[in-house]
Amino acid sequence: DSGVTQTPKHLITATGQRVTLRCSPRSGDLSVYWYQQSLDQGLQFLIQYYNGEERAKGNILERFSAQQFPDLHSELNLSSLELGDSALYFCASSVGTATQETQYFGPGTRLLVL
Amino acid sequence: TQLLEQSPQFLSIQEGENLTVYCNSSSVFSSLQWYRQEPGEGPVLLVTVVTGGEVKKLKRLTFQFGDARKDSSLHITAAQPGDTGLYLCAGAANAGNNRKLIWGLGTSLAVNP
Repeated sequence: DSGVTQTPKHLITATGQRVTLRCSPRSGDLSVYWYQQSLDQGLQFLIQYYNGEERAKGNILERFSAQQFPDLHSELNLSSLELGDSALYFCASSVGTATQETQYFGPGTRLLVL
Repeated sequence: TQLLEQSPQFLSIQEGENLTVYCNSSSVFSSLQWYRQEPGEGPVLLVTVVTGGEVKKLKRLTFQFGDARKDSSLHITAAQPGDTGLYLCAGAANAGNNRKLIWGLGTSLAVNP
C-alpha cells in the first residue's frame, strides 16, 4: 500500500460525458502528479501540482483539467470524453519537487468510454 | 522530443535464468529511475541512479547508468516468478525544482516456474 488513494477504481461512461477522478496523496506529500497509461502509448505524464499550484504540464489535452485543493487532494476532470480516452489514470505523490524524489503511485482508476 | 526506448518489449523466461533489459535515449538525463508495475497496480520505484557509470544493486537486481547518462540497464540474476511484471524506466528531464519525468513504454517480463 503506497498510501495514495484514488477513487473510483473503475468507471464506465459514454462518449461526450464528463467524469471526475479523485486522488488523496500520502500524508505530508505536497506534490501530486497525474498520469495516463494506455497499451499503445505507455505511461504519459499529464500534469503536476505542488501545494495547490500547477507546477508542470505534460501531454494533457485541453478537454482535461485538474486542480489541487487546500487539503492537498486533487481532482482530474475529463470532459467531452472520446473512445480513445479509455485508459488507466494514475495519481502519484511526492514530498516536494526535486528530480530524485520517489513518486508513490496510487492503484489507479480504470476508465472505459463506450 | 525526448524519448526513452526500452528493449525488449516482451520477455518470457524460465525460473533461474538471467536477463538484461535496456533503456536507451539520445538525450542526457540528470537522473534515471526504474519502476516495476504489477497488473492492476501502480508502478513502484526500485532505484534511482544519478551519476554516470553508477551501479546499484538491489538483491538479485543490478542497475547501471551509462557513462554519458543517456542509457541504463537492469540485470536480473536467477529470475523468480515474483519478478514478473512491467519494468519501466523514467528519466528526469530537468534538474532542480521543476520535475518532469520522461517514461519508456516498459519491458513486460514473465518468469515461468
